[in-house]
Amino acid sequence: QVQLVQSGAEVKRPGASVKVSCKASGYGFVAYYMHWVRQAPGQGLEWMGRINPNSGGTNYAQKFQGRVTMTRDTSSNTAYMELNRLRSDDTAVYYCARDLGTDGRYWGPGSLVTVSS
Amino acid sequence: DIQMTQSPSSLSASVGDRVTITCRASQSLISYLNWFQQKPGKAPKLLISAASNLQSGVSSRFRGNESGTDYTLTISSLQPEDFATYYCQQSYSIPVTFGQGTRLEIK
Repeated sequence: QVQLVQSGAEVKRPGASVKVSCKASGYGFVAYYMHWVRQAPGQGLEWMGRINPNSGGTNYAQKFQGRVTMTRDTSSNTAYMELNRLRSDDTAVYYCARDLGTDGRYWGPGSLVTVSS
Repeated sequence: DIQMTQSPSSLSASVGDRVTITCRASQSLISYLNWFQQKPGKAPKLLISAASNLQSGVSSRFRGNESGTDYTLTISSLQPEDFATYYCQQSYSIPVTFGQGTRLEIK
């Protein structure tokens, strides 16, 4: 069965970076885009971008351009999302989701990132 | 970017009621519209894809409809487990965009 397992909660200082991982299993990792979506406390869902695990090609939301990097490791079937220059309003749960473009059934459980001084 | 305008932002209803949530897209989506249900502390769950395609295992109380650039999610005969937050999401083009969400509360 398809599973997406994410890394654990993190606490970061303002200005630091965070790297969240999403390990996929149960399907061909390189066959489906991996998307990243975040949700601030009490707020809605915000799309951050996606990566093509086959080519490594990425599309980022304009809001995060220059501050986010999405990568993948095909040897371990893991996608990564790194966000730099963290601010307090980056405090959120970060989700990976398989192929939101044509599917949407499979989401990771979320990784809480707290940015606090 | 395609804007998704979802309404209402919150809704209070009783068990057994029928409710409708609407999303209006800023341009045609050609049915590339998903509906998600989210409960506190959980990832979103896909209910309906392609505007009206009910996902396996999802109750037939949920129905999706499309009329031009307006998309509706109707829940007939609300059950206690239906009280949650609902989001629409367009998958027609990148960037993917979500509606603002509708919080469905028990009256």
